[in-house]
Amino acid sequence: DAGITQSPRHKVTETGTPVTLRCHQTENHRYMYWYRQDPGHGLRLIHYSYGVKDTDKGEVSDGYSVSRSKTEDFLLTLESATSSQTSVYFCAISEATSGSSSNEQFFGPGTRLTVL
Amino acid sequence: LAKTTQPISMDSYEGQEVNITCSHNNIATNDYITWYQQFPSQGPRFIIQGYKTKVTNEVASLFIPADRKSSTLSLPRVSLSDTAVYYCLVGVPFYSSASKIIFGSGTRLSIRP
Repeated sequence: DAGITQSPRHKVTETGTPVTLRCHQTENHRYMYWYRQDPGHGLRLIHYSYGVKDTDKGEVSDGYSVSRSKTEDFLLTLESATSSQTSVYFCAISEATSGSSSNEQFFGPGTRLTVL
Repeated sequence: LAKTTQPISMDSYEGQEVNITCSHNNIATNDYITWYQQFPSQGPRFIIQGYKTKVTNEVASLFIPADRKSSTLSLPRVSLSDTAVYYCLVGVPFYSSASKIIFGSGTRLSIRP
């Protein structure tokens, strides 16, 4: 399995508090992603990064920010958590150089976040 | 961004071949078709990817017609351990900074003894 860890694995917090989730990889892959998964919605892309300090918004980016100060770490921050952000959050990585056609992403174990 | 449509659920029996079809009518010229498998409480796992015609690996086959508006994931001789959710994705390769992949709701496949 690809070397991806997420921390924390479980978190319960209160509405209005800031929350930061961490994704750490040991594969030196260029691309990193944050998804959320809710019942009946599959996975939805929040933000992704295509290099250190290079990030872009995904499908459901409102209320989230990200940072990537080094290749191995991608942080997801909820500035002021809301109950609608209760979800399972997955980090993923991928590596594709020019000429590669692979869309393969490797996913982390997930973080279950509950906002009360 | 190309959207995909898959059946919500499917049932089959051990030893059978299972075909899951995905519709992607507005697929773009540069888009690839990728399938993932997800077990409960785990992240998705890549199964197979293709651009046109047929692709086969040790796990599955992917059939893509000439118009590329649909694709079919074929799982030969399924077992109970193939019970999972299967996602069809359409998008450009990740070396493009503009690439954004969208997962649909997936197909929940249940295999019975």
